[in-house]
Amino acid sequence: EAQVTQNPRYLITVTGKKLTVTCSQNMNHEYMSWYRQDPGLGLRQIYYSMNVEVTDKGDVPEGYKVSRKEKRNFPLILESPSPNQTSLYFCASRENTGELFFGEGSRLTVL
Amino acid sequence: QKEVEQDPGPLSVPEGAIVSLNCTYSNSAFQYFMWYRQYSRKGPELLMYTYSSGNKEDGRFTAQVDKSSKYISLFIRDSQPSDSATYLCAMRYGGATNKLIFGTGTLLAVQP
Repeated sequence: EAQVTQNPRYLITVTGKKLTVTCSQNMNHEYMSWYRQDPGLGLRQIYYSMNVEVTDKGDVPEGYKVSRKEKRNFPLILESPSPNQTSLYFCASRENTGELFFGEGSRLTVL
Repeated sequence: QKEVEQDPGPLSVPEGAIVSLNCTYSNSAFQYFMWYRQYSRKGPELLMYTYSSGNKEDGRFTAQVDKSSKYISLFIRDSQPSDSATYLCAMRYGGATNKLIFGTGTLLAVQP
């Protein structure tokens, strides 16, 4: 089954404690992206990757890092989380011109 | 001004009603228009995909794009309780970056 898998689905952490949200896709897609979804603001792109070892900033990259060492994986790293990073995070992938496939989301709370 | 504006709702309709969901946008360079459906606690999934102006129909769903008015619509005929979800419009320019700009979503509830 074609899917984008994110982990963890739910996480509560404290300010400053580094965390990583993993994302893996099994569709051999070159393009992967991270979004955050907040009430009233919708989906905003954090980072995206056009291919292995190629990443670029989206609209709201501050406080986040990503890496793309393998085609299937695109982890999102919060080096020092802050409460304003409390949000619902989605990883997505697609072929270069096709539709976006989203993961089921990771709800992060930073206390 | 946001590039894409969408009424957040919530919109509540009785089963069987015709639903109209809308988005307006400010940038005439958008060429590809999409509607995503997002169920509670799930990721968005693509519902309709339209290039440039015109209508596209898929079962009970019809997507309309009016580029002259910078306005897109999604119509749902014979709405069902299973259509209850948040509907997100999205659009992008042509070209290699293919970044999608999303509306904030409209929450729809279809009452049985």
